[in-house]
Amino acid sequence: EIVLTQSPGTLSLSPGERATLSCRASQSTSSLAWYQQKPGQAPRLLMYDASTRATGIPDRISGSGSGTDFTLTISRLEPEDFAVYYCHHYGRSPRTFGQGTKVEIK
Amino acid sequence: EVLLVESGGGLVQPGGSLRLSCAASGFTFSSYAMHWVRQAPGKGLEYVSAISSKGGNTYYENSVKGRFTISRDNSKNTLYLQMGSLRPEDMAVYYCARDKDPMKWLLLPDIWGQGTMVTVSS
Repeated sequence: EIVLTQSPGTLSLSPGERATLSCRASQSTSSLAWYQQKPGQAPRLLMYDASTRATGIPDRISGSGSGTDFTLTISRLEPEDFAVYYCHHYGRSPRTFGQGTKVEIK
Repeated sequence: EVLLVESGGGLVQPGGSLRLSCAASGFTFSSYAMHWVRQAPGKGLEYVSAISSKGGNTYYENSVKGRFTISRDNSKNTLYLQMGSLRPEDMAVYYCARDKDPMKWLLLPDIWGQGTMVTVSS
């Protein structure tokens, strides 16, 4: 089983700042996605295959990494970016999620 | 507009059964694999199950294998999750989601519904 460990647990930043979220996999994978979830809402797909933006995702949000280390970067935080972010491994069984990183307003 | 609407959640006793439904619209339902993902109150996401576009292939995580059954009715554009032998740890919001690309097995959840809450308690 691929265990995904996200860090930090909480990121306190101001609008306009840069956010860097980490996802570390216990084994190598190339099937890594990122989701955003706001309170009371369903998750929204942001990135897949580690670095490919989903439809409609702005280019201030980017994904990078390979193997076991992956990063989601938001270059300039907008008010709508404050949310919880999950990484997700979907390549093989079992399909797993990280525990989430909360990006909150400082 | 792609729309997924879950229903069927509610309160059930431990050991009981429940069937969730997910009504799809705004896309060719029969062309997409579909997923179920759940989220316990205040917790993270947990993958549950998936089914291929025509229903011939299914996938279950170990935590629900043998207790849950995923199915679909393409004539009704509806996805189902039959849940049995329910446990307190099954209590969660259950989301259905469409796969990212048509006619593929199996990619990842793309468009999600708003979820339906399942409470397992005596």
